[in-house]
Amino acid sequence: AQSVAQPEDQVNVAEGNPLTVKCTYSVSGNPYLFWYVQYPNRGLQFLLKYITGDNLVKGSYGFEAEFNKSQTSFHLKKPSALVSDSALYFCAVRDRGNNDMRFGAGTRLTVKP
Amino acid sequence: GAGVSQSPSNKVTEKGKDVELRCDPISGHTALYWYRQSLGQGLEFLIYFQGNSAPDKSGLPSDRFSAERTGGSVSTLTIQRTQQEDSAVYLCASSLVPAGGPDTQYFGPGTRLTVL
Repeated sequence: AQSVAQPEDQVNVAEGNPLTVKCTYSVSGNPYLFWYVQYPNRGLQFLLKYITGDNLVKGSYGFEAEFNKSQTSFHLKKPSALVSDSALYFCAVRDRGNNDMRFGAGTRLTVKP
Repeated sequence: GAGVSQSPSNKVTEKGKDVELRCDPISGHTALYWYRQSLGQGLEFLIYFQGNSAPDKSGLPSDRFSAERTGGSVSTLTIQRTQQEDSAVYLCASSLVPAGGPDTQYFGPGTRLTVL
């Protein structure tokens, strides 16, 4: 069975500082990994995904994530946070060949000016 | 339309009533998913449709929940005899590539269901 953990309910950073939103996963095989963002009263928007190959994945709005197989992690990062990045972020994992995707509980990112 | 649409956006119902939630996927997307997002929780997988194949119902929490997809496009999620614990945001997503592959799911805005 696959699962995802987002250990932080809340992350607060100052505008202009780097941000990291943590995600660890558990799968029986090789994973597909995803990050989605949810703005208030909006649906989830795709940010980026890891399929195979380069462990550093670049996505929308300047976000990137690094796949670390030994640590089973897929942390989301951005070098310089913007106030507009404030939202709810979800990590998700799918074990290849399965139909369902497991989402983490979400991390609320607040970027203060 | 340009994205996944869901209706209604909000639904308030009384305990014991049946409700129907609708999802219009992106045109041409063969895969359709339903998820439930409860307050403070992550997304819970409910059901998956792929083309004309039998749906994967492994995530449905009880037999009060059912879903259908007509003509490989629009889907309806039905909850019978609603309970207060059914209150949540129900999200629909569609994707172009069959499940198990590296597809990207595109989400609708959700239907907020409140059971009084």
